[in-house]
Parts: sequence; C-alpha cells; structure tokens
Amino acid sequence: GAGVSQTPSNKVTEKGKYVELRCDPISGHTALYWYRQSLGQGPEFLIYFQGTGAADDSGLPNDRFFAVRPEGSVSTLKIQRTERGDSAVYLCASSPGPGDEQFFGPGTRLTVL
Amino acid sequence: AQSVTQLGSHVSVSEGALVLLRCNYSSSVPPYLFWYVQYPNQGLQLLLKYTSAATLVKGINGFEAEFKKSETSFHLTKPSAHMSDAAEYFCAVSAYGQNFVFGPGTRLSVLP
Repeated sequence: GAGVSQTPSNKVTEKGKYVELRCDPISGHTALYWYRQSLGQGPEFLIYFQGTGAADDSGLPNDRFFAVRPEGSVSTLKIQRTERGDSAVYLCASSPGPGDEQFFGPGTRLTVL
Repeated sequence: AQSVTQLGSHVSVSEGALVLLRCNYSSSVPPYLFWYVQYPNQGLQLLLKYTSAATLVKGINGFEAEFKKSETSFHLTKPSAHMSDAAEYFCAVSAYGQNFVFGPGTRLSVLP
C-alpha cells in the first residue's frame, strides 16, 4: 500500500515569505507527527495530532509555525515570515495510534535564502 | 520531560564484528523506547521498540536492544555486522507514545 507522502520534496523560498508543507498519511492512521531535522541532528518533534486535534504542539518553536489537520487525514504545516534558520528537512510520520510504529515520509527539504 | 543521549556520533566496525550503539535516556514517566535507522537518501525506518513488555527486544535485520531501567539505557546490538548495516541510527524516547524525543544519531560505518 501507499506510504506517507510529502509535497513538495524540495522548497526554496526567500526570507520573509510564507510556505505550506503537505503531508498525506497512511490511510486509517489516526496519529500524525511533524518533525524538523537539521543536518547532522536527529529529528526534532514539532507537533502531534490525534485525529483532527493537535494533542501536543509543545515542539513548535514560535508562533510563526502552525499546523492543521481539518479532516483527520491530510495535514499542512504552515510557516509565516520564514527565516534562514528555518532551513531544514521537515518530516511527517503517521501511526495507527499513539505508541504504535511511526511510518515516516521522505521529507520536504526547505531552504530559506 | 524526556531526553536522549547517544554516545559516539560515529562508530566504525569491521564486517562480521559486533555492533554496539549506545543510548541513554531520561524520562519522568515509564518510557517507550525506539531505535530507528536511516539509510542514505531514505526515510526513517523502525528497527525495534520497547513498550514495557519483555526487556530484551528483537528487531529487524538481526538487531536487538535491552532495556535496563537501573542504567537508564537501551543499547542496540547486532552480533555480526554486514556492509548493508552502514547507516545513521537514532534512539528515541516517548511518554505514552505521544511527544517523541530523538537522540542526535550515530553514524555506523562497516569496514570490509
């Protein structure tokens, strides 16, 4: 079956612009996670959805970052007024439920010039 | 709060030798513990997980890990390294399967 997909695979933007990153989880998975991975580091937790609601958004670095999952499937990570420090690979993962194996997508590489 | 440390950002072993990748964690609640592998240009893949059942956990590709509460450790081992094991390995801890904290990773090189 299809795995987790993320679009776009690469995004280059200018400082100050707005970007949206999309995640399509595995069908039927209720849990969805967003992470950010910088070069040479492990994934950094951003936000966790259980169904449509954000169960834990403690990892979002500031109010420029926001994520939604309106119908409990596809999720969009939104970054306003991008900064060069936002450059990283943004990973999405889904799982059947909390504590189950997470299946990771290939990531979106964001570059802010 | 949870945290993870992985001793050794880079480990090299000879093909056929024992692989030992270290992970220590801290958690304010009984932890869920995971090892993930990331092959070059590929996504993260689960190797194994501990969720309070047996303390010795067997995973894919011959890897296993032992949960030692007294040492707050969850080291990953494989008796005999194969060239295909060369990858980045991440240990992660979670409280109740929600907020996941990953370690910085250990890059494993396997020498012929």
